[in-house]
Amino acid sequence: DAKTTQPTSMDCAEGRAANLPCNHSTISGNEYVYWYRQIHSQGPQYIIHGLKNNETNEMASLIITEDRKSSTLILPHATLRDTAVYYCIVRPPYNFNKFYFGSGTKLNVKP
Amino acid sequence: DGGITQSPKYLFRKEGQNVTLSCEQNLNHDAMYWYRQDPGQGLRLIYYSQIVNDFQKGDIAEGYSVSREKKESFPLTVTSAQKNPTAFYLCASSSLDGNNEQFFGPGTRLTVL
Repeated sequence: DAKTTQPTSMDCAEGRAANLPCNHSTISGNEYVYWYRQIHSQGPQYIIHGLKNNETNEMASLIITEDRKSSTLILPHATLRDTAVYYCIVRPPYNFNKFYFGSGTKLNVKP
Repeated sequence: DGGITQSPKYLFRKEGQNVTLSCEQNLNHDAMYWYRQDPGQGLRLIYYSQIVNDFQKGDIAEGYSVSREKKESFPLTVTSAQKNPTAFYLCASSSLDGNNEQFFGPGTRLTVL
């Protein structure tokens, strides 16, 4: 199973774009990249996922490199409410016990 | 509104007592999961179930038990055999589609005194 590497913490100014990197150099061809976030003492919230194409939804954009060894989650206009731990997860389809939440990146959005 | 509910939000128990945490979902999801989270750490899978009356152990099942008598419900019992039960417990559910995302409940914080 592919593992991920994320920075422990990052700072971002309110209103600016937050770019959260994730390294998954051992990802397999059929493994998806998922992003979740967890605000303190709450359950994780799904943000976005993708296989190889870039994806965008109302919350964020996901940019996956052509070799799929890394990805970046982009929050286009960060607000104070985006302060949370962000988890990058890779998982093959139909493997229901393979959602590995590591330590994630603590994003601090500052005024 | 569709979603996952967990109750209670906070739970206190004496050492040596079994305790059952509730998880209910109305999303019509087939799969349900239980995770444990310790301070500053990621989530670790305790048990999961893909169908009623069937469930599988996750990475840290020792000292825990589950049942899946109804599609909507997946209660977790923390037994006295669990050496360090104080933690934040999260329930999740998902469909069985190949690239399904998991939806999480608000969690139950268990403190054993």
